[in-house]
Amino acid sequence: DAKTTQPNSMESNEEEPVHLPCNHSTISGTDYIHWYRQLPSQGPEYVIHGLTSNVNNRMASLAIAEDRKSSTLILHRATLRDAAVYYCILRDVDTDKLIFGTGTRLQVFP
Amino acid sequence: DGGITQSPKYLFRKEGQNVTLSCEQNLNHDAMYWYRQDPGQGLRLIYYSQIVNDFQKGDIAEGYSVSREKKESFPLTVTSAQKNPTAFYLCASSSIGQGLYEQYFGPGTRLTVT
Repeated sequence: DAKTTQPNSMESNEEEPVHLPCNHSTISGTDYIHWYRQLPSQGPEYVIHGLTSNVNNRMASLAIAEDRKSSTLILHRATLRDAAVYYCILRDVDTDKLIFGTGTRLQVFP
Repeated sequence: DGGITQSPKYLFRKEGQNVTLSCEQNLNHDAMYWYRQDPGQGLRLIYYSQIVNDFQKGDIAEGYSVSREKKESFPLTVTSAQKNPTAFYLCASSSIGQGLYEQYFGPGTRLTVT
């Protein structure tokens, strides 16, 4: 299973943009890059996913490097509700499995 | 509303007892998954199923068993053979599509075995 590497923690102030990096140097050509976030004592929540092109939705943007070996989740204006653990995951094309790492804990300060 | 339900939210059991965790979805998803989460850790896959009456072991299947008799339901039994059963258990479901579709997660069951 391909692996991802993320910083353990990051901090941001409210209303500022946040860039959460992820390295996935062993990604295969058909792996989708998925991002989920988890609030304390809750199940993970889907944020965004992409394959090759940059993606935008109402929650965030996903910037994917041209060689696909890294990606960045962008929260355009952080709010206190965005404080969570963010997981960058490569979704296996054959089994559809999600293989979670330990994620990045994002703290947002007022 | 469509979604995934897990019950109960908190569960307490004595060591040596088997316990079954419920997971139901009304999203018409073919695939269902069970994960375990320990404090400060990411989720680890226990079992998954992509079709009724069929399921596969994940990374930490030892001490667990599942069944998939109906598309909507995927119960997980934590057996007495599981050495460290105390954990947060999460169920998820998704459409099948070569990594394309998102997984929807339930609220989780926190199991404590003493």
